[in-house]
Amino acid sequence: EDQVTQSPEALRLQEGESSSLNCSYTVSGLRGLFWYRQDPGKGPEFLFTLYSAGEEKEKERLKATLTKKESFLHITAPKPEDSATYLCAVQRYNQGGKLIFGQGTELSVKP
Amino acid sequence: ETGVTQTPRHLVMGMTNKKSLKCEQHLGHNAMYWYKQSAKKPLELMFVYSLEERVENNSVPSRFSPECPNSSHLFLHLHTLQPEDSALYLCASSQSRTAVYEQYFGPGTRLTVT
Repeated sequence: EDQVTQSPEALRLQEGESSSLNCSYTVSGLRGLFWYRQDPGKGPEFLFTLYSAGEEKEKERLKATLTKKESFLHITAPKPEDSATYLCAVQRYNQGGKLIFGQGTELSVKP
Repeated sequence: ETGVTQTPRHLVMGMTNKKSLKCEQHLGHNAMYWYKQSAKKPLELMFVYSLEERVENNSVPSRFSPECPNSSHLFLHLHTLQPEDSALYLCASSQSRTAVYEQYFGPGTRLTVT
C-alpha cells in the first residue's frame, strides 16, 4: 500500500537554528515528489517538485533533496515567517494526477 | 482574479440543507481536483476532473456530488451531510493529469455541519 510518513509531527526552532524535515515514502513507481507549505486557514502553496533520487532544489532558505526512500526539506537559518505546516506528497505512475499526502510537519520558529 | 479561487470561504449548514461549493481557476489548466482536509489527517483526494470529464471518484459518499461545466469551473454539491463531514474543502488545478505537474490550491472552504 502506498504510504507517506512525515516526521517530526511538530518542530519548534529558534530563529537562525537550522534543521531538517523528513518525508518517508513507500510507493511503487514514483513519478514525482512534491513539497508544499500551508499557512493556517489557507490552501497549500507549492514549493518544489523532485523527480529522481539525487535531485536537489533550493528556494531562499529551503532546500529539498530526494533519495529512493525519503526526501528531506532542509531549512537554513529560519525566520519566524517560515512558521507553517509543510506537506509532502507523492505521485505514482499510472494514477494520473492523484497525489498521496503525508500528515505534515508543523514548524514554529520563535524570534 | 488570479490563481484558484473558492467561494464561500466559510459555510455552516444543517444536516438537511443543500449547498454548493464553487471553485474557479484562472491558470488555463485542464485538470481540477477536490480534496478534503480534516484535523490531524492527511489531505484526501475526493474527485479528479480532466477536460471536464470525471476520471476519478475516490470512494466518496453520494451526498457529495461534483460538477465540472467547463475547464475553469468546478462545483461540489452537498446534501444530507453528517457532522463528520465538517472539514476544510480544497480545490486544486494542474496543467494536466497525464504528466508530473504541480497542483495549485485555492484557499479552501471551511465547512461546519451542525
